[in-house]
Amino acid sequence: GQSLEQPSEVTAVEGAIVQINCTYQTSGFYGLSWYQQHDGGAPTFLSYNALDGLEETGRFSSFLSRSDSYGYLLLQELQMKDSASYFCAVRFGDYKLSFGAGTTVTVRA
Amino acid sequence: NAGVTQTPKFRVLKTGQSMTLLCAQDMNHEYMYWYRQDPGMGLRLIHYSVGEGTTAKGEVPDGYNVSRLKKQNFLLGLESAAPSQTSVYFCASNPRDRGYNEQFFGPGTRLTVL
Repeated sequence: GQSLEQPSEVTAVEGAIVQINCTYQTSGFYGLSWYQQHDGGAPTFLSYNALDGLEETGRFSSFLSRSDSYGYLLLQELQMKDSASYFCAVRFGDYKLSFGAGTTVTVRA
Repeated sequence: NAGVTQTPKFRVLKTGQSMTLLCAQDMNHEYMYWYRQDPGMGLRLIHYSVGEGTTAKGEVPDGYNVSRLKKQNFLLGLESAAPSQTSVYFCASNPRDRGYNEQFFGPGTRLTVL
Protein backbone atom coordinates (compact mmCIF):
# COMPACT_ATOMS: atom_id res chain seq x y z
CA GLY A 1 0.00 0.00 0.00
CA GLN A 2 0.84 3.65 0.10
CA SER A 3 1.50 5.90 3.09
CA LEU A 4 2.28 9.59 3.21
CA GLU A 5 3.19 11.76 6.18
CA GLN A 6 2.90 15.52 6.40
CA PRO A 7 2.51 17.89 9.36
CA SER A 8 -1.05 18.53 10.44
CA GLU A 9 -0.77 22.28 11.02
CA VAL A 10 1.51 25.21 10.28
CA THR A 11 1.02 28.83 11.34
CA ALA A 12 2.94 31.80 9.97
CA VAL A 13 2.62 35.54 9.49
CA GLU A 14 2.00 37.41 6.27
CA GLY A 15 5.12 37.76 4.17
CA ALA A 16 6.82 34.77 5.76
CA ILE A 17 8.00 31.53 4.10
CA VAL A 18 6.47 28.16 4.94
CA GLN A 19 7.80 24.73 4.01
CA ILE A 20 5.47 21.72 4.12
CA ASN A 21 7.32 18.41 4.14
CA CYS A 22 5.97 15.15 2.80
CA THR A 23 7.53 11.73 3.20
CA TYR A 24 6.06 8.73 1.46
CA GLN A 25 6.24 4.98 1.13
CA THR A 26 4.81 3.50 -2.02
CA SER A 27 5.31 0.93 -4.72
CA GLY A 28 5.38 1.96 -8.33
CA PHE A 29 6.14 5.63 -7.72
CA TYR A 30 5.57 7.92 -10.69
CA GLY A 31 5.59 11.37 -9.13
CA LEU A 32 4.52 13.68 -6.31
CA SER A 33 1.71 16.22 -6.62
CA TRP A 34 0.47 19.03 -4.39
CA TYR A 35 -3.12 20.24 -4.07
CA GLN A 36 -4.68 23.18 -2.25
CA GLN A 37 -8.12 23.11 -0.64
CA HIS A 38 -9.94 26.13 0.77
CA ASP A 39 -12.62 25.60 3.44
CA GLY A 40 -13.49 22.08 2.33
CA GLY A 41 -14.10 23.11 -1.27
CA ALA A 42 -12.78 21.54 -4.44
CA PRO A 43 -9.07 20.69 -4.24
CA THR A 44 -7.04 22.47 -6.89
CA PHE A 45 -3.78 21.32 -8.45
CA LEU A 46 -0.60 23.24 -7.57
CA SER A 47 2.37 21.28 -8.86
CA TYR A 48 3.83 17.95 -9.90
CA ASN A 49 7.36 16.58 -9.63
CA ALA A 50 8.34 13.45 -11.51
CA LEU A 51 12.09 13.99 -11.31
CA ASP A 52 14.41 15.12 -8.53
CA GLY A 53 14.77 18.83 -8.10
CA LEU A 54 12.88 22.04 -7.65
CA GLU A 55 9.88 23.23 -9.68
CA GLU A 56 8.92 26.87 -9.32
CA THR A 57 5.50 28.36 -10.07
CA GLY A 58 5.24 31.95 -8.93
CA ARG A 59 5.32 32.16 -5.14
CA PHE A 60 5.05 28.39 -4.78
CA SER A 61 7.85 25.88 -5.33
CA SER A 62 7.91 22.11 -4.99
CA PHE A 63 10.88 19.83 -4.46
CA LEU A 64 11.37 16.09 -4.83
CA SER A 65 14.09 13.67 -3.77
CA ARG A 66 13.20 10.21 -5.02
CA SER A 67 16.13 8.56 -3.25
CA ASP A 68 14.91 9.94 0.10
CA SER A 69 11.20 9.42 -0.65
CA TYR A 70 10.72 13.03 0.33
CA GLY A 71 9.31 16.20 -1.06
CA TYR A 72 8.22 19.62 0.09
CA LEU A 73 6.06 22.54 -0.92
CA LEU A 74 7.48 25.99 -0.32
CA LEU A 75 5.12 28.92 0.03
CA GLN A 76 6.86 32.28 -0.20
CA GLU A 77 5.63 35.82 0.53
CA LEU A 78 2.66 34.39 2.38
CA GLN A 79 -0.67 36.10 1.87
CA MET A 80 -3.91 35.78 3.83
CA LYS A 81 -5.49 33.98 0.88
CA ASP A 82 -2.89 31.20 1.27
CA SER A 83 -4.70 30.03 4.42
CA ALA A 84 -5.90 26.61 3.30
CA SER A 85 -5.18 22.90 3.52
CA TYR A 86 -2.37 21.50 1.41
CA PHE A 87 -2.18 17.86 0.38
CA CYS A 88 0.69 15.90 -1.08
CA ALA A 89 -0.25 12.99 -3.29
CA VAL A 90 1.79 10.23 -4.88
CA ARG A 91 0.94 8.86 -8.27
CA PHE A 92 1.32 5.11 -8.12
CA GLY A 93 0.55 2.56 -10.80
CA ASP A 94 -1.73 3.70 -13.58
CA TYR A 95 -4.24 6.51 -13.17
CA LYS A 96 -4.23 6.59 -9.37
CA LEU A 97 -3.30 9.07 -6.66
CA SER A 98 -2.88 8.43 -2.93
CA PHE A 99 -3.23 11.52 -0.73
CA GLY A 100 -1.68 12.54 2.56
CA ALA A 101 -3.90 13.67 5.43
CA GLY A 102 -3.23 17.33 4.67
CA THR A 103 -1.53 20.30 6.32
CA THR A 104 -3.63 23.23 7.49
CA VAL A 105 -1.78 26.48 6.92
CA THR A 106 -2.96 29.50 8.88
CA VAL A 107 -1.64 32.89 7.88
CA ARG A 108 -1.82 35.64 10.49
CA ALA A 109 -1.60 39.37 9.97
CA ASN B 1 -17.14 25.43 -19.54
CA ALA B 2 -18.69 24.33 -16.26
CA GLY B 3 -15.79 21.95 -15.53
CA VAL B 4 -16.73 19.18 -13.09
CA THR B 5 -20.18 19.40 -11.51
CA GLN B 6 -21.72 17.23 -8.81
CA THR B 7 -25.35 16.61 -7.90
CA PRO B 8 -26.65 16.94 -5.21
CA LYS B 9 -24.59 19.32 -3.07
CA PHE B 10 -26.05 18.09 0.22
CA ARG B 11 -28.05 15.04 1.24
CA VAL B 12 -29.26 13.42 4.44
CA LEU B 13 -30.14 9.73 4.36
CA LYS B 14 -31.43 7.24 6.87
CA THR B 15 -29.55 3.99 7.42
CA GLY B 16 -30.52 1.48 4.75
CA GLN B 17 -31.67 4.01 2.16
CA SER B 18 -30.11 4.13 -1.28
CA MET B 19 -29.01 7.02 -3.44
CA THR B 20 -26.97 7.93 -6.49
CA LEU B 21 -24.47 10.74 -6.75
CA LEU B 22 -23.97 12.20 -10.19
CA CYS B 23 -20.74 13.62 -11.56
CA ALA B 24 -20.61 15.35 -14.93
CA GLN B 25 -17.69 16.90 -16.78
CA ASP B 26 -17.73 18.89 -20.01
CA MET B 27 -13.98 18.77 -20.71
CA ASN B 28 -14.05 15.51 -22.70
CA HIS B 29 -11.78 13.84 -20.15
CA GLU B 30 -11.19 10.12 -20.39
CA TYR B 31 -10.46 9.42 -16.72
CA MET B 32 -12.88 10.00 -13.86
CA TYR B 33 -12.64 9.27 -10.13
CA TRP B 34 -14.71 9.18 -6.96
CA TYR B 35 -13.07 10.06 -3.63
CA ARG B 36 -14.32 10.42 -0.11
CA GLN B 37 -12.87 12.85 2.43
CA ASP B 38 -13.30 12.44 6.16
CA PRO B 39 -12.18 14.86 8.90
CA GLY B 40 -8.43 14.78 9.44
CA MET B 41 -7.89 12.52 6.48
CA GLY B 42 -6.92 13.04 2.92
CA LEU B 43 -8.94 11.98 -0.06
CA ARG B 44 -9.37 8.24 -0.45
CA LEU B 45 -10.10 6.71 -3.83
CA ILE B 46 -13.36 4.76 -3.99
CA HIS B 47 -13.68 3.81 -7.68
CA TYR B 48 -12.33 5.12 -10.94
CA SER B 49 -12.88 4.83 -14.67
CA VAL B 50 -10.42 5.04 -17.53
CA GLY B 51 -13.05 5.36 -20.21
CA GLU B 52 -16.70 4.97 -21.15
CA GLY B 53 -18.01 1.59 -20.09
CA THR B 54 -15.08 0.82 -17.77
CA THR B 55 -14.80 0.95 -13.97
CA ALA B 56 -12.30 -0.28 -11.41
CA LYS B 57 -11.97 -0.44 -7.63
CA GLY B 58 -9.89 2.00 -5.65
CA GLU B 59 -8.72 1.90 -2.04
CA VAL B 60 -12.13 1.87 -0.30
CA PRO B 61 -14.73 0.39 -2.69
CA ASP B 62 -16.88 -1.61 -0.24
CA GLY B 63 -20.49 -0.44 -0.04
CA TYR B 64 -20.33 1.52 -3.30
CA ASN B 65 -21.01 0.82 -6.95
CA VAL B 66 -20.30 2.94 -10.00
CA SER B 67 -21.25 3.20 -13.64
CA ARG B 68 -19.85 5.10 -16.63
CA LEU B 69 -22.41 4.69 -19.38
CA LYS B 70 -21.51 8.00 -21.00
CA LYS B 71 -18.05 9.54 -21.22
CA GLN B 72 -19.13 12.73 -19.51
CA ASN B 73 -20.93 11.12 -16.55
CA PHE B 74 -19.73 9.00 -13.64
CA LEU B 75 -22.33 7.79 -11.14
CA LEU B 76 -21.66 6.64 -7.58
CA GLY B 77 -24.31 4.49 -5.93
CA LEU B 78 -24.93 3.57 -2.32
CA GLU B 79 -27.30 0.59 -2.22
CA SER B 80 -27.81 0.50 1.56
CA ALA B 81 -26.36 3.54 3.30
CA ALA B 82 -24.55 3.17 6.63
CA PRO B 83 -23.47 5.86 9.12
CA SER B 84 -19.83 5.04 8.26
CA GLN B 85 -20.55 6.46 4.79
CA THR B 86 -21.13 9.93 6.20
CA SER B 87 -18.50 11.91 4.35
CA VAL B 88 -17.79 14.50 1.69
CA TYR B 89 -17.62 12.93 -1.76
CA PHE B 90 -15.52 14.46 -4.50
CA CYS B 91 -15.49 13.60 -8.15
CA ALA B 92 -12.47 14.33 -10.30
CA SER B 93 -11.39 13.92 -13.89
CA ASN B 94 -8.31 14.29 -16.05
CA PRO B 95 -7.46 13.97 -19.73
CA ARG B 96 -5.32 11.16 -21.02
CA ASP B 97 -2.77 13.40 -22.67
CA ARG B 98 -1.67 15.11 -19.44
CA GLY B 99 -0.36 11.85 -18.03
CA TYR B 100 -2.72 11.93 -15.04
CA ASN B 101 -0.67 14.67 -13.37
CA GLU B 102 -3.46 17.15 -12.80
CA GLN B 103 -6.89 16.09 -11.65
CA PHE B 104 -9.82 18.51 -11.83
CA PHE B 105 -12.21 18.29 -8.90
CA GLY B 106 -15.90 19.00 -8.49
CA PRO B 107 -17.30 21.03 -5.55
CA GLY B 108 -18.23 17.96 -3.50
CA THR B 109 -21.38 16.33 -2.12
CA ARG B 110 -21.86 16.45 1.63
CA LEU B 111 -23.65 13.27 2.72
CA THR B 112 -24.93 12.51 6.20
CA VAL B 113 -26.29 9.07 7.05
CA LEU B 114 -28.36 8.94 10.23
